[in-house]
Amino acid sequence: GDSVTQMEGPVTLSEEAFLTINCTYTATGYPSLFWYVQYPGEGLQLLLKATKADDKGSNKGFEATYRKETTSFHLEKGSVQVSDSAVYFCALTKNNFNKFYFGSGTKLNVKP
Amino acid sequence: EPEVTQTPSHQVTQMGQEVILRCVPISNHLYFYWYRQILGQKVEFLVSFYNNEISEKSEIFDDQFSVERPDGSNFTLKIRSTKLEDSAMYFCASSVAGEQYFGPGTRLTVT
Repeated sequence: GDSVTQMEGPVTLSEEAFLTINCTYTATGYPSLFWYVQYPGEGLQLLLKATKADDKGSNKGFEATYRKETTSFHLEKGSVQVSDSAVYFCALTKNNFNKFYFGSGTKLNVKP
Repeated sequence: EPEVTQTPSHQVTQMGQEVILRCVPISNHLYFYWYRQILGQKVEFLVSFYNNEISEKSEIFDDQFSVERPDGSNFTLKIRSTKLEDSAMYFCASSVAGEQYFGPGTRLTVT
C-alpha cells in the first residue's frame, strides 16, 4: 500500500549547519508530496509541497525536490536557525481531498 | 489567519468511558478529517467527512468511533468505550482546495 518513510530523529545541529531530512515514498500513480512542520504546542503547518515529478517546493529557506526515479522528497535547508527546531513530517496524498499518508516525523533540535 | 482549533488540549479518561473530542474547522472549508498519532508512531488517517457523511474511513475507525458535525461549526470525534490503546494525539484537519489545515491536536490518555 501507499506509505511514507522518513529518517528517524532526533537530529541535532548547530546553528547555520546544513540540514537534510530524508523521505522516501511508496505509491501507485502520481501522488502529491508535502512537508509539514509542528512547532511545540502547535498544529501541523504546511511547509512546502510538490505536485509532480521534478517540481521543487520551497518556503522559508527550506527546499525539497520531487524525485520520481528515486521515490524521494528530501527536505533541505542551507543554514538552520534555532527557530527551526520542530518536528518535520513528510506526507503524500493521491488526490485532492483524499487522505494523507504521513511519515513518523523527525525531530530537529538546533543549538545556538 | 484562520486556523483549526481543537478542545480540549489534553483529555484523561478511564478505560471504558466515552470521550468526545471537539474541533472547529476553518469556516469556509468543506472537507474534514481526523488523524491520530500514537506516541512514537506515524500519523494515521482515521476518517474523512464531506457533505454530512463519511467519505472514507480506515480500518482503525471501527464501531467504537463516530463523527458528527452537529452544527455549522463543530466537528466531533466520539469514542464510545475507550481502550488503553486509544491513547494518542488526535488531530483534526479541514480542507477546501486539497491542502489540509491541521489543528494543534488533543492528547488523549486512557488509564
